[in-house]
Amino acid sequence: QVQLQQSGPGLVKPSQTLSLTCAISGDSVSSNSAAWNWIRQSPSRGLEWLGRTYYRSKWYNDYAVSVKSRITINPDTSKNQFSLQLNSVTPEDTAVYYCARGTGGGYDPSTFDYWGQGTLVTVSS
Amino acid sequence: DVVMTQSPLSLPVTLGQPASISCRSSQSLVYSDGNTYLNWFQQRPGQSPRRLIYKVSNRDSGVPDRFSGSGSGTDFTLKISRVEAEDVGVYYCMQGTHWPPAFGGGTKVEIK
Repeated sequence: QVQLQQSGPGLVKPSQTLSLTCAISGDSVSSNSAAWNWIRQSPSRGLEWLGRTYYRSKWYNDYAVSVKSRITINPDTSKNQFSLQLNSVTPEDTAVYYCARGTGGGYDPSTFDYWGQGTLVTVSS
Repeated sequence: DVVMTQSPLSLPVTLGQPASISCRSSQSLVYSDGNTYLNWFQQRPGQSPRRLIYKVSNRDSGVPDRFSGSGSGTDFTLKISRVEAEDVGVYYCMQGTHWPPAFGGGTKVEIK
């Protein structure tokens, strides 16, 4: 059974960097069939896919256009986890952030079958 | 990008009665392999989303058979044959055919 355990601060100041980590058990971040995603949820934006990292002989990253200039998702093979960094945050980045296991790679079809518990991140001074 | 539109926004249902949620996509969700990558998720209060249905009509492991999915092309439906108290929550459709993946706005199911 795949489990995703999120960690990270719940409060970030405007203009600073939001950082979250998702620890994986029951699968590998280096899996050749999975993709590791970050998704956020807010009343104004609903469920919004942010980006992913996946391994297909080498590492790939894909990011949503809305955050592409500010986001980095990195795998950590030594700890079997992956992370999210979102720079220059504003109050509009306040949301519940989820990590999720997905399928596919490149332009292959995608779905999300396992989700982390969610982390409410508030951007406020 | 593909836009997913759900209706209704809110669905009050009597326990034991059926419920139906509609999802419409702005483009056909049929992929080049012939499959349609339309998913349904349930989000109970205070919980993470949980996938119920994938590829239009395939139930995930552990999902009660009172949940069923149907549809094709751009029009899809999630049905609950007899609503139980544990079904209260928000239901989302999500398309995975086109890049980037996209979710509908959600339908809140509540008990009358």
